[in-house]
Amino acid sequence: EAGVAQSPRYKIIEKRQSVAFWCNPISGHATLYWYQQILGQGPKLLIQFQNNGVVDDSQLPKDRFSAERLKGVDSTLKIQPAKLEDSAVYLCASSLNRMDNEQFFGPGTRLTVL
Amino acid sequence: QKEVEQDPGPLSVPEGAIVSLNCTYSNSAFQYFMWYRQYSRKGPELLMYTYSSGNKEDGRFTAQVDKSSKYISLFIRDSQPSDSATYLCAMRDAGGTSYGKLTFGQGTILTVHP
Repeated sequence: EAGVAQSPRYKIIEKRQSVAFWCNPISGHATLYWYQQILGQGPKLLIQFQNNGVVDDSQLPKDRFSAERLKGVDSTLKIQPAKLEDSAVYLCASSLNRMDNEQFFGPGTRLTVL
Repeated sequence: QKEVEQDPGPLSVPEGAIVSLNCTYSNSAFQYFMWYRQYSRKGPELLMYTYSSGNKEDGRFTAQVDKSSKYISLFIRDSQPSDSATYLCAMRDAGGTSYGKLTFGQGTILTVHP
């Protein structure tokens, strides 16, 4: 079974530029999560989708971050404009449904904002 | 105060040692308790989960939950160099609109040297 795919793996941008990350979850997984993991910290949930609807985006900085999950499969996370404090690893995860205790994580995208 | 506190370490032990990793939490609504392992440049992967208080054993790993003290532990017996990773505790409640949302500790870096 293929795992969660993410791209790109690494990205370096200047502050105030925009950037987009892509995630392809495990086939058949209804729930998709985006996490932000700052160096030395645990992952922090940014947004959770159930199929193509948003379940929880309470910790998403909506003035600069946006995310979508078209057709309930792939998802993109965008940052515009980026700030220095956005430097982090952005992890995508998926699970069969919201009641599933196991979330499967992708390798992450490491973002550096200069 | 963070909802979940975890000693970041780093922890360095010789091969064969017993390792104890711990987390405390403040949210009494947490019902499911997980331990994830994260290798360098990889996404977290689920090791074990427990529901409510009690112990759970899986091979060399034992998870303990004491809800009365709001304290959880992961024990690793006969530790191996391949156990070297960051260990993240995570927990969630059992209901509400954010069902499935995990709150992570900051992770403990473990190194097992031969």
